[in-house]
Amino acid sequence: GAVVSQHPSRVICKSGTSVKIECRSLDFQATTMFWYRQFPKQSLMLMATSNEGSKATYEQGVEKDKFLINHASLTLSTLTVTSAHPEDSSFYICSARTQGAGNSPLHFGNGTRLTVT
Amino acid sequence: DAKTTQPNSMESNEEEPVHLPCNHSTISGTDYIHWYRQLPSQGPEYVIHGLTSNVNNRMASLAIAEDRKSSTLILHRATLRDAAVYYCILRNNSGNTPLVFGKGTRLSVIA
Repeated sequence: GAVVSQHPSRVICKSGTSVKIECRSLDFQATTMFWYRQFPKQSLMLMATSNEGSKATYEQGVEKDKFLINHASLTLSTLTVTSAHPEDSSFYICSARTQGAGNSPLHFGNGTRLTVT
Repeated sequence: DAKTTQPNSMESNEEEPVHLPCNHSTISGTDYIHWYRQLPSQGPEYVIHGLTSNVNNRMASLAIAEDRKSSTLILHRATLRDAAVYYCILRNNSGNTPLVFGKGTRLSVIA
């Protein structure tokens, strides 16, 4: 089945530094990938839609200059958390869909747990 | 997106069937009913989806009411590994739209 790989699975960084999270579709091409954030005991919240070869679309309230998204190829999207602060500590999850009908399932990475100290 | 309503939590004994309900009274004719689950510290995992007819796969069954205003995810024999948060999500068949997650149902399985 379709596999989405996310790296790293866990990262600890100091306040003020930047962290890059990679999301790869291993056995399929994804023109669109989605980035979510999940705080403890809460549901997933959509942050942005990443489109290959064009600018990402951000949800209301998500700062595009803080959460930089690059989708340079059909199998790779990256999310960079710039100038991280402790309140950015969260579980970040990417997802992608195989091509085909709009009702085909989304495949999710296993998430990246970011801790900012 | 049309909203869904699920119980916050449910409990099941191991080896017994589990019926997870979902209400979606404002579903439109082109909305598919998707179910995903999220195990602790992992990304969500696709379980099953359907439009009008009941669906079966190796993980679960999906029973859809005739008026499509509700559905039930059926795990035929719960195991400890089925303990997760189960999300019922409506998704329009209109292209590259993301999934919008509600709070889901936290399923606990008791040995």
